[in-house]
Amino acid sequence: EVQLVESGGGLVQPGGSLRLSCAASGFTFSSYWMHWVRQAPGKGLVWVSRINGAGSTTNYADSVKGRFTISRDNAKNTLFLQMNSLRAEDTAVYYCSNPTSGFWGQGTLVTVSS
Amino acid sequence: EIVLTQSPGTLSLSPGERATLSCRASQSVSSSYLAWYQQKPGQAPRLLIYGASTRATGIPDRFSGGGSGTDFTLTISRLEPEDFEVYYCQQYGSSPFTFGPGTKVDIK
Repeated sequence: EVQLVESGGGLVQPGGSLRLSCAASGFTFSSYWMHWVRQAPGKGLVWVSRINGAGSTTNYADSVKGRFTISRDNAKNTLFLQMNSLRAEDTAVYYCSNPTSGFWGQGTLVTVSS
Repeated sequence: EIVLTQSPGTLSLSPGERATLSCRASQSVSSSYLAWYQQKPGQAPRLLIYGASTRATGIPDRFSGGGSGTDFTLTISRLEPEDFEVYYCQQYGSSPFTFGPGTKVDIK
């Protein structure tokens, strides 16, 4: 059974940093592109970033480019999202996923507020 | 960036009726890399359709997808009570892999 379990969310002040993790199991993690998708409270889905299986190719939404860094550790079947210079508008539930394979975690809430 | 527009914003129908949801792209979606998701409150999205028309594993055949280029549709042939949720389209042909704003299907 495919499982994606996010962690690392919480309350952080504007300008602060947070590192999200996503532990994967039940599939060959290193073979899949992995994505982060976020959803602000009461709003729609927003694609954030993706990384290829080898970790050598990444893409970002313009809204996070230069502030967020996606990475992975295939030996530990774990996906990461390093988030720096956080803003109030980054407040959202962050999902780890391979959307078009139907793999989604339960999400972790990030709240940016003073 | 490809902008996706979904219409209508809200669709009010009764159980047993047919639902047709539209997703229009600001430019052509390469290779029909268009997916549809259903989301229930407090849950992660659920993949329904990928490649514009291929049902994901375990998705009932009352769900069907169609279209190409810039115009895509999700059709629910006969609405069941559990289908009254929010539906999103997403293009994954070119980065950034944008989502549409969603269509809410609610009970009339």
